[in-house]
Amino acid sequence: ELKVEQNPLFLSMQEGKNYTIYCNYSTTSDRLYWYRQDPGKSLESLFVLLSNGAVKQEGRLMASLDTKARLSTLHITAAVHDLSATYFCAVDNSGGGADGLTFGKGTHLIIQP
Amino acid sequence: GAGVSQSPRYKVTKRGQDVALRCDPISGHVSLYWYRQALGQGPEFLTYFNYEAQQDKSGLPNDRFSAERPEGSISTLTIQRTEQRDSAMYRCASSLRSQGARSEQFFGPGTRLTVL
Repeated sequence: ELKVEQNPLFLSMQEGKNYTIYCNYSTTSDRLYWYRQDPGKSLESLFVLLSNGAVKQEGRLMASLDTKARLSTLHITAAVHDLSATYFCAVDNSGGGADGLTFGKGTHLIIQP
Repeated sequence: GAGVSQSPRYKVTKRGQDVALRCDPISGHVSLYWYRQALGQGPEFLTYFNYEAQQDKSGLPNDRFSAERPEGSISTLTIQRTEQRDSAMYRCASSLRSQGARSEQFFGPGTRLTVL
């Protein structure tokens, strides 16, 4: 059974600081996704990582994937208040014969001025 | 263009009643997925379709849950004889393809189901 673990689950940080969210998963997969969810809203796709060593950047967010270590990171540079949200990583289940996603529990990020 | 839409947005029902939740995917998207999200948790996979074919239903909790996508577009998730534990946000997602670079899943706004 595929398991996806994120840490930290809660993070409070100040504007201007850098931080990294970690996503570990338990079985072989080469497809990993990052989503953002604002309170009461749906999930917004941020990054799609499809191969070992993939790195993608959008604004102050950068995501990377190491399939050998079964690890993805979401790095926040010089955080701003607008980035406050819950961030989910999700891994595709295709190794288990399905193409649904298994999500982590999410990282609830609060960025204080 | 329009995103994934779901209806109703809110559904309150009494225990034992059947409910049908509808999902209209992004036009042209081959794959359609159903998830359930409890408060404070990540979405949990239920089932998915490529075109009209249900590819995997391993995530459906029990036989009270079923889904269909008869014409390869709109999908309906049906819960029979609802129970209080079925209360959750039900989310639908669609993707252009199920694998590769076009596998990015776009989520709808969800249907909040409350079973009294």
